[in-house]
Amino acid sequence: GAGVSQSPSNKVTEKGKDVELRCDPISGHTALYWYRQSLGQGLEFLIYFQGNSAPDKSGLPSDRFSAERTGGSVSTLTIQRTQQEDSAVYLCASSLPPGQLINYGYTFGSGTRLTVV
Amino acid sequence: AQTVTQSQPEMSVQEAETVTLSCTYDTSESDYYLFWYKQPPSRQMILVIRQEAYKQQNATENRFSVNFQKAAKSFSLKISDSQLGDAAMYFCAYRSDYKLSFGAGTTVTVRA
Repeated sequence: GAGVSQSPSNKVTEKGKDVELRCDPISGHTALYWYRQSLGQGLEFLIYFQGNSAPDKSGLPSDRFSAERTGGSVSTLTIQRTQQEDSAVYLCASSLPPGQLINYGYTFGSGTRLTVV
Repeated sequence: AQTVTQSQPEMSVQEAETVTLSCTYDTSESDYYLFWYKQPPSRQMILVIRQEAYKQQNATENRFSVNFQKAAKSFSLKISDSQLGDAAMYFCAYRSDYKLSFGAGTTVTVRA
């Protein structure tokens, strides 16, 4: 697509439920990233995909968080047994591979606002 | 690990005036990129300007310019002729390989 698409735009869930957040990157972008932005804060790195593999998942805050990417395209971030502290905006971004000279930055989606009640 | 510091949580500027946002970073790398992103209430992160560390010339994009001081590890953003549409949160970011590291952000309000 023309941009990075994230769904849903907003999600309200009850504490203890599982949620899935989806990211559809720009066609041809092999790198994909998930970030978390708590209210009024900066962006916290969660995980990086190159193709279908995740060479860096160091930012996932707990084993309740997992992510996968299939076909080198769509990625799903899953949060199991959600807690109130998981409430945040989850941003996805994609880019060309890091080694390409024109790969200066990311293209971000508009994020999913997750509210755990 | 790289850290990015934005020491100004909020800045206010009169329409048509100039505002400067500060950013410092810590790194042991010699080759890296620096960015300023704008995030309006729509949540979309919009790239404002970028600077390659190997370039001594400061980047400029229309009303936006940077003051890049590599030795001091400083990367400030100047917004000239501020417009109401410039109101947003601004993030400074650092990248050496694949990971973007962000500062905490500065909220810019523009007074009419």
